[in-house]
Amino acid sequence: DAKTTQPPSMDCAEGRAANLPCNHSTISGNEYVYWYRQIHSQGPQYIIHGLKNNETNEMASLIITEDRKSSTLILPHATLRDTAVYYCIVRVAFYSGAGSYQLTFGKGTKLSVIP
Amino acid sequence: DADVTQTPRNRITKTGKRIMLECSQTKGHDRMYWYRQDPGLGLQLIYYSFDVKDINKGEISDGYSVSRQAQAKFSLSLESAIPNQTALYFCATSDFSGVQQFFGPGTRLTVL
Repeated sequence: DAKTTQPPSMDCAEGRAANLPCNHSTISGNEYVYWYRQIHSQGPQYIIHGLKNNETNEMASLIITEDRKSSTLILPHATLRDTAVYYCIVRVAFYSGAGSYQLTFGKGTKLSVIP
Repeated sequence: DADVTQTPRNRITKTGKRIMLECSQTKGHDRMYWYRQDPGLGLQLIYYSFDVKDINKGEISDGYSVSRQAQAKFSLSLESAIPNQTALYFCATSDFSGVQQFFGPGTRLTVL
């Protein structure tokens, strides 16, 4: 799986949009971009995923650049409950051999939402 | 009720003891996974199971074993616990596609 690079930490004012960047310059054509978050010591929570088109769900939006080498997760109106570590992961979506279901979590970005 | 449950939630044990961590899920998923997380780090995959008869090693399986007793149950064992196995352990499940994994609340294990 491709490696990802994320800033170690970010702050965001409550009510403002939080934009979390991720670089994945070695991503392959069959690899998707996934975002998970982990609120202090709880189990990680799936947020969103995409291949090349922008995606939106009830939690967030995912913007993927045309060359697919980077992406941005957008939380449109951050709340204090969004304070968490956010993980950007690239992985094939379907089974293609041993280990292909593995989610490789790096260190992520610690987002602090400030009142 | 939670979809993925783990027992115990916290456990302190001594070096050399055998420990079993249990995971149960009500999501009806075939895929189940065990991860460990060390402080300040991401999660590492220990074992994963595609169904009751299909178990696979992850990136850090040494010192661990697993048992898939039923579709809904996946247990992780430490045959002889050592201090560097002190960590937070998570169980997860997914459907056939594996697109989205659902995680349990975690078990905090301390080996003295």
